[in-house]
This record gives sequence, C-alpha cells and structure tokens, in this order.
Amino acid sequence: GDSVTQMEGPVTLSEEAFLTINCTYTATGYPSLFWYVQYPGEGLQLLLKATKADDKGSNKGFEATYRKETTSFHLEKGSVQVSDSAVYFCALRPAGGTSYGKLTFGQGTILTVHP
Amino acid sequence: DAGVIQSPRHEVTEMGQEVTLRCKPISGHDYLFWYRQTMMRGLELLIYFNNNVPIDDSGMPEDRFSAKMPNASFSTLKIQPSEPRDSAVYFCASSPSGRSSLEQYFGPGTRLTVT
Repeated sequence: GDSVTQMEGPVTLSEEAFLTINCTYTATGYPSLFWYVQYPGEGLQLLLKATKADDKGSNKGFEATYRKETTSFHLEKGSVQVSDSAVYFCALRPAGGTSYGKLTFGQGTILTVHP
Repeated sequence: DAGVIQSPRHEVTEMGQEVTLRCKPISGHDYLFWYRQTMMRGLELLIYFNNNVPIDDSGMPEDRFSAKMPNASFSTLKIQPSEPRDSAVYFCASSPSGRSSLEQYFGPGTRLTVT
C-alpha cells in the first residue's frame, strides 16, 4: 500500500538557518503530494502541494519539488523564523482507485526555531 | 466560510461513559474524514465518507467506535463505552471531490480526556 516516510525529528534550528525536512513516498502511478503544518493547539493546514512530477510547490518561503525519480518531496526554507515552529506533515493522495479521496500522512516532524 | 466546525473543543469524561463528537464540514464538500492524533501513534485515519456514505472504516479501532453522517452537513463519532486509551485529539476534515481541489481542510479538533 501507499506510504510516506519523513525524517525523524525533532529538528532544532536557530533563526535564519536553512531548513530541510526529508520526505519519501511509496505509491503506484503519480500521486499528488502535500506538506501540511500544524501549529500548537490547532488543526492541520495545507502549506503547499504538487500534483505532477517536477512541479514545485511554494508558500510562505517554503518550497518542495516533486521528484518522481527519487520518489521524494523534501521541504526547504532558506531562512526560518521563530514563528515557523510547528509540526510538519508530508502526505500523498493517490492518483485514482478506490482510495482516491484519502490522504496518507507521514509521522510528522517537530520543528523548533530559537531566536 | 466558517471552515470545518467541531464540537466540543474539549471533553473530559469518565471511563465507561458514552462520548459523542460532532463535525460540520465545509458546505459543498463531498468528502468527510475523521482522524485521531496521539503522541504514541501520530495521526491516524479512522473513517471517511463520500457523499454521506462510509467508504473506508478500516481505521476504526474496535466496535466501541462508530461514525455516522446522516446528511451532507453533519457527522458524529461516538465512543461507547469510553476507555482511558481513547484519550487523544480527534480531528474532522472535509474535501471537495474535483480533481482541481485536492486539499483537505481540517477542523480545530476535539481534545478528549477519559479518566
């Protein structure tokens, strides 16, 4: 079945540092890929998405590129801020089939940014 | 739009009691999802509906859990009888069905504590 693997956390960085959170997936065909962010005490919200190979999703300074050859969708940000402290989830949605509407999530990566 | 609405936001109950969690999805969304989040197990999909019909309930832990969606604007997740290990944050999410809109929108969650 489909699966998503994220780098283990937690990740602790200083403000203005470069961020990478690795995400790899296993799925048939061409799934859609997502990064969700969860701030303390809140539900998950979409950060960015990519629906086909070589697409780059971007939002709020975060970027991720859909790499079919390496089945990866790594999240990056050039300069993190304290306000980026949150839990980040990588997820995929199948291209079709009976599970079309369902998202498969990674385990989440806790990011803490210090001033 | 008000977003996905969940109630109550917090619930504290004693072991053996019945608990009912409620969700109002975003108007016009065809998919509704129930998730459970704990530190130990992360984010788990319990069940999801398409057009009010349950599609996949393989994530429901056991017979103590049941979910209904009597109409397009309301769903419930019921636990009877509740146990301390059911303590978690329960999220409801909804999603439109068109291929151009793949995002799931999450509610703020219900924090359940069973003593």
